[in-house]
Order: sequence, then C-alpha cells, then structure tokens
Amino acid sequence: DVKVTQSSRYLVKRTGEKVFLECVQDMDHENMFWYRQDPGLGLRLIYFSYDVKMKEKGDIPEGYSVSREKKERFSLILESASTNQTSMYLCASSTLWVRTGPYQPQHFGDGTRLSIL
Amino acid sequence: GNSVTQMEGPVTLSEEAFLTINCTYTATGYPSLFWYVQYPGEGLQLLLKATKADDKGSNKGFEATYRKETTSFHLEKGSVQVSDSAVYFCAFISGNTGKLIFGQGTTLQVKP
Repeated sequence: DVKVTQSSRYLVKRTGEKVFLECVQDMDHENMFWYRQDPGLGLRLIYFSYDVKMKEKGDIPEGYSVSREKKERFSLILESASTNQTSMYLCASSTLWVRTGPYQPQHFGDGTRLSIL
Repeated sequence: GNSVTQMEGPVTLSEEAFLTINCTYTATGYPSLFWYVQYPGEGLQLLLKATKADDKGSNKGFEATYRKETTSFHLEKGSVQVSDSAVYFCAFISGNTGKLIFGQGTTLQVKP
C-alpha cells in the first residue's frame, strides 16, 4: 500500500514564524501535491511538483513556497505565518500518468492541523 | 472549465438505509473518476475509482458507475452503517497534469 506520511498531525505556531510542513511518500511517485482544506471552501491546491527540483503553482500559492530536493520528500514552507493560514494541510502523491495509462489516483497523508496564533 | 458538482449535505440516514450521493462532472477529454472518503480528523482515503466509460468501481459495499452519456458518477450503498459517517468527495483527473478536480464534499450522518 502507498504510504504518505506527514511529519505532524497537529502544530501550533506564532504569527511571523517560518513554518515547515514535511511530507514523505514511499512509492517512488513522481507527482506530489499540497492542499489546504477549510470549512465551506473544500480542498484547494497550493503547489505541486512533477519531479525533483520542479514546482508549479496551484490555485492559492500566495504566502507559501515549496521544496523538493529528493523524489520522496515535498516540503511546504510558510515564509511568515499569518493567522489566515490556520488550516488543515494535506499532502498527496501519485504516479505519472504516462507510465501507467489511465490517470491514477492521488494518495493522501493524514493531514496536519496547523494553528497560527 | 473543469468542475464537479455534488449534492449538498448533510445527508442524514438511519442505519441500513439506502444511500445515493449524486455527482456530475464537466471535463475535457477522458477523465478518470474517483470517490474519496474523509473520516473525522483524518486525511482523504481513496474509496473507489473508474477509469473508462461504463466501468463500475466498488469497495466496502459502495459502488459507482462511470456514465459518460450523463457525465455522472453517483455513489451508492445498499445498507449504510454508523461507521460510514464521514465526508465524501467526488473527483476526477483530466489532461496530463495529474491534478485532481474535487467537488465540495457531502457530509453523511448515519444514526443508529
């Protein structure tokens, strides 16, 4: 089974701090994704990556950056945390479709509930 | 543009009732379709999938059939349990980006 592991289930930080959320997958997937989930807004894509050192902006990249130095690890960085970044953050991974034919599903971690005080 | 429309919740049912959660999509090309489930306090789990027209995905008693002619992928279960209480998301991938397009989610509450 695919395992996507997020480093923390719960995290509390202060306004202005630099925050790192880590995600590791064990299935050699090319694609990795970061989402945030808020009540009434559903899931929104922040950033994604197709390969090491590659990144693409999602729908709401402002205030975030990402790093992918190794294939299995994808980090989300809040450069200067603000209270409106309090949210549930979900990481996901998937295999590249050209390898497998039909589009394959994304596999999600358990999420990190981040509170910015 | 690409989008998913799910029936609004919450859906409240008694145990052993029949469940239908409607989902329709707007996509270019030939998408793969998915249902995800999110239990309280957890991440999303893949529930079932279908990758071509008329495919039926099934898992844990849940079923959904890929209907290209009506662009629908309705989720059904014949007899729900209290443990099925969760939020259900319909989603698809279309194009070569691997990006998932999600519906807003439907909350299911099953009462004993």
